[in-house]
Order: sequence, then C-alpha cells, then structure tokens
Amino acid sequence: QQQVKQSPQSLIVQKGGISIINCAYENTAFDYFPWYQQFPGKGPALLIAIRPDVSEKKEGRFTISFNKSAKQFSLHIMDSQPGDSATYFCAASEEAAGNKLTFGGGTRVLVKP
Amino acid sequence: DTAVSQTPKYLVTQMGNDKSIKCEQNLGHDTMYWYKQDSKKFLKIMFSYNNKELIINETVPNRFSPKSPDKAHLNLHINSLELGDSAVYFCASSQGVLAYEQYFGPGTRLTVT
Repeated sequence: QQQVKQSPQSLIVQKGGISIINCAYENTAFDYFPWYQQFPGKGPALLIAIRPDVSEKKEGRFTISFNKSAKQFSLHIMDSQPGDSATYFCAASEEAAGNKLTFGGGTRVLVKP
Repeated sequence: DTAVSQTPKYLVTQMGNDKSIKCEQNLGHDTMYWYKQDSKKFLKIMFSYNNKELIINETVPNRFSPKSPDKAHLNLHINSLELGDSAVYFCASSQGVLAYEQYFGPGTRLTVT
C-alpha cells in the first residue's frame, strides 16, 4: 500500500514553461512534506519542504502548494530550465514515527531547450 | 569534501555471496539511514541508527544486517545475496532523529547475477 502517490511518472516541458508534479497522501498524521531532487547517478537532495500549517511556500523558481483538506500537495517549477531535468520525489514524514520519510514514486522531468 | 560517501559505487556479485557496503559521513550528524531504490526508482527506507542505536528497522529480510561502529559510519552487510537484491542502495544522514533534512550519499549500485 503506497502511502504517498505521485503523478505524473514523467513530464516533458519546454524551456521557460511550468512543471507541475502532484502528490497525494493518506496518513493524516504526516507533518512534514519535503521534495527531493535527484540527478542521474546521484543521491536525492532536499529541494524544498513545507509543513501542513502553511498553504504555500516559495523558494526561487520552486513553489510547494499544500491542500490539507484534500490531502494533496504539489511542486511547481516556474521558468523551467534544462538544468532542472531530474527525477523529483515528494515525501512525507511523521514526527511520532521518528520522522521516517515515505517517498512517492518519483517524476522524471525533462526540460527541452 | 564529500559529505556522505559510500563504497563501493558499483558492486557486481553472484547469487549466494555475502557482501558489504560502507558508508561514512563527515557532517557531524548523529543519525544515519539506509535506503533501497529499486529499478523503478522507488525509494524505501530500510534502517536508521541514532548514535549507534537502531531506531528504524523496516520489514527487511534478516539477510540484511546494518552495523554502526560509530556515529560517523553505518555499514550494510548482506548475506546470501538474491537476484531481487539488485538495486541502488543509498546511505543518508541527519542531525538528530527528528531532523527533517537528510543528506544522501551517491549510492551503491548492486547487481546480483
């Protein structure tokens, strides 16, 4: 049973466009929602994160939108660049469970020049 | 300086063999993790250690045994390797069990033939 569902599996966007990745979760006890970025041959790296008491967080071209009632959150990459081509993972964790990260299935983003 | 390092980067071995993967972090963190990323890129936690104490132990075959000689090292030993163990294994670290940001190593690609 996948606790964090991520879509789409892959995404192609033109340079300058907007990439949107969506995630849905089931466990209402989750209290932290990070996004990790992974380049080929590398380990995942934290990109941006949000807590459920905030509906939106923006860092540069990356924005997380959070909908607590719908149990959904999404990552928007504005003005997508070829260097953003990577696999993006949403995740969720629960402090009471030792902050164990539960990852979504990943979205492979390709930004065409 | 590499923050979280793993050796080896690639490991090819035959079924039935025993192998180890080593992980070291120089970030001064006290919590370390092992993750498995399968061929579909799905990332799942296996173990976590805090100050050499096992904190998270997911449903992993007991052929997998983590060992933490000190808080800067977390090794993974795998006995009687099976074809299904083929994956990329990532080590990660964080400062504190309740820390939200985890720093990942570059991964070890294990291929069992």
